[in-house]
Amino acid sequence: GAVVSQHPSWVICKSGTSVKIECRSLDFQATTMFWYRQFPKQSLMLMATSNEGSKATYEQGVEKDKFLINHASLTLSTLTVTSAHPEDSSFYICSAPDRLNSPLHFGNGTRLTVT
Amino acid sequence: KQEVTQIPAALSVPEGENLVLNCSFTDSAIYNLQWFRQDPGKGLTSLLLIQSSQREQTSGRLNASLDKSSGRSTLYIAASQPGDSATYLCAVEVGAGSYQLTFGKGTKLSVIP
Repeated sequence: GAVVSQHPSWVICKSGTSVKIECRSLDFQATTMFWYRQFPKQSLMLMATSNEGSKATYEQGVEKDKFLINHASLTLSTLTVTSAHPEDSSFYICSAPDRLNSPLHFGNGTRLTVT
Repeated sequence: KQEVTQIPAALSVPEGENLVLNCSFTDSAIYNLQWFRQDPGKGLTSLLLIQSSQREQTSGRLNASLDKSSGRSTLYIAASQPGDSATYLCAVEVGAGSYQLTFGKGTKLSVIP
């Protein structure tokens, strides 16, 4: 079946540094990928839609200059949290459909802790 | 704005029991509703997807129903097993093919051996 691989699975960084999270579609091409964020005891919230070869679309309230998304190929989207702060500590997870109108396939997520 | 609520937030049952998880949504104009399973620190596994025109879907011991007009869905798990312990998430998709899901906070299920 279609697999989405996300790396790293967890990361601890110091405040002010940047962190890059990768999301790969292993056996299918993904023209669109979705990035979600989940704070403790909260629901998953869509952050942005990543489009191959074009700019990402960000949801209201998500800073595009802080959360940089690059979707340079049909199998890779990256999310870079720039100048991370403790309030950015969260669970970030990506997803993608493997074909038109198929259900989304999710990565295993990345637990980010900013100290 | 679409809001999804899941009740209860947590549930503990002895092994072998049948159980029902509830999901409600405020805007009935949905494209589909999906139930996911999330294990601690892991990604999401899709369990069942119900299109807006459907009433229910079944997979093994799982049965999901959808009453779009009342904004409700239930996930029925038969003969629960310890391996069913996880957080179950309900999500609705509003626009056809938009893939923009609105999630509930989930129900954390513990099945006691």
